[in-house]
Amino acid sequence: DQQVKQNSPSLSVQEGRISILNCDYTNSMFDYFLWYKKYPAEGPTFLISISSIKDKNEDGRFTVFLNKSAKHLSLHIVPSQPGDSAVYFCAAGLSNSGYALNFGKGTSLLVTP
Amino acid sequence: DAEITQSPRHKITETGRQVTLACHQTWNHNNMFWYRQDLGHGLRLIHYSYGVQDTNKGEVSDGYSVSRSNTEDLPLTLESAASSQTSVYFCASRRDTGELFFGEGSRLTVL
Repeated sequence: DQQVKQNSPSLSVQEGRISILNCDYTNSMFDYFLWYKKYPAEGPTFLISISSIKDKNEDGRFTVFLNKSAKHLSLHIVPSQPGDSAVYFCAAGLSNSGYALNFGKGTSLLVTP
Repeated sequence: DAEITQSPRHKITETGRQVTLACHQTWNHNNMFWYRQDLGHGLRLIHYSYGVQDTNKGEVSDGYSVSRSNTEDLPLTLESAASSQTSVYFCASRRDTGELFFGEGSRLTVL
């Protein structure tokens, strides 16, 4: 059973606007959450992470919000740029173990000029 | 510069053949992982290793095996390739801070 869910397979946003990508998880033990970005024919690249002790983490145009009670996190990209067009994967895991991350199915973001 | 490399990047094989995908990292990370990516499924864990001589099964391990004889390498072997194993395979290693670093992927086609 999938423990990390991205229910929107795709999202289209105009350049300059905000992109909001959503992710839900079912395992309340997860305490470390990450977003990865993937371009075609390349491996996923780490974008931003957040620990469960925080509810927000910001890095330039990228902000991740965590709502533990709702088991929900979101990635905000402001302003969106055409180069942000990629597949975004949400991932969750346990920070105190070496266990592998659980990934969602991904959301394909298209930023149009 | 430290890195993680996969080979081959592309391979076509026939059903029933044994195939090995190589993964090599130069970061000296203990934790290494193999994932497969398929449309509609995202990234699914095949096998992982926490260190030399340690290997563990992931959620889709049937038909795959790994070995860890040194820190740098985690080869993935398909004992008898099946068409259902046509996929893109990603190897990754884990930093102490938790992020996974991925290789560029190996695209495998089983005919």
